Amino acid sequence: EIVLTQSPATLSLSPGERATLSCRASQSVSGYLAWFQLKPGQAPRLLIYDASNAAPGIPARFSGSGSETDFTLTISSLEPEDFAVYYCQQRSNWPVTFGQGTRLEIK
Amino acid sequence: QEQLEESGGGVVQPGRSLRLSCAASGFTASRFAMHWVRQAPGKGLEWVGVILYDGRNKHYADSVNGRFTISRDNSKNTVYLQMNSLRIDDSAVYHCAREATGADVWGKGTTVIVSS
Repeated sequence: EIVLTQSPATLSLSPGERATLSCRASQSVSGYLAWFQLKPGQAPRLLIYDASNAAPGIPARFSGSGSETDFTLTISSLEPEDFAVYYCQQRSNWPVTFGQGTRLEIK
Repeated sequence: QEQLEESGGGVVQPGRSLRLSCAASGFTASRFAMHWVRQAPGKGLEWVGVILYDGRNKHYADSVNGRFTISRDNSKNTVYLQMNSLRIDDSAVYHCAREATGADVWGKGTTVIVSS
């Protein structure tokens, strides 16, 4: 099983600041890495698929990068609605696995 | 509009069974791989399993393998999650999701509580 480790566990920032979230895989996932946003009581929202492709309708401030084992989600300038929990997910190998999440909170 | 809606959750005793449904609208579910993902209270997202577009190939998390089964009824545009031998730690909100370029369509989930 591929283990995804996200860091930091919690990120405290202010609106307008830049957020950088990391996801490291225990082995290569090639480019099959996705990022999701999760808010309480809502369905997960796909932000980025295949490491760097923004899902339809996702604002341009969200971007993804990386390959093999190291991946980054960047939010260029935080909006109030961006404060949530973010998960990375790999679909390179079965079973599909998620990271443990990064909580992005308002400073 | 492409949507998924889960149903069938509830309160069940340990060791009993429950079947969840995931009804698709606005698209043909049989053309896609369909996942089940759960979130236990206070925990992160946990992948449960997937049924591939061919309907024959399925994969499961170790935690549910042998107890849970995913199936689909193309005539009803619906995917199912049969959960047997339920345990307390199976309590969670269960979501279904479509796999296109990434898991791009999700349902809001249905809550399963396993309690004596």
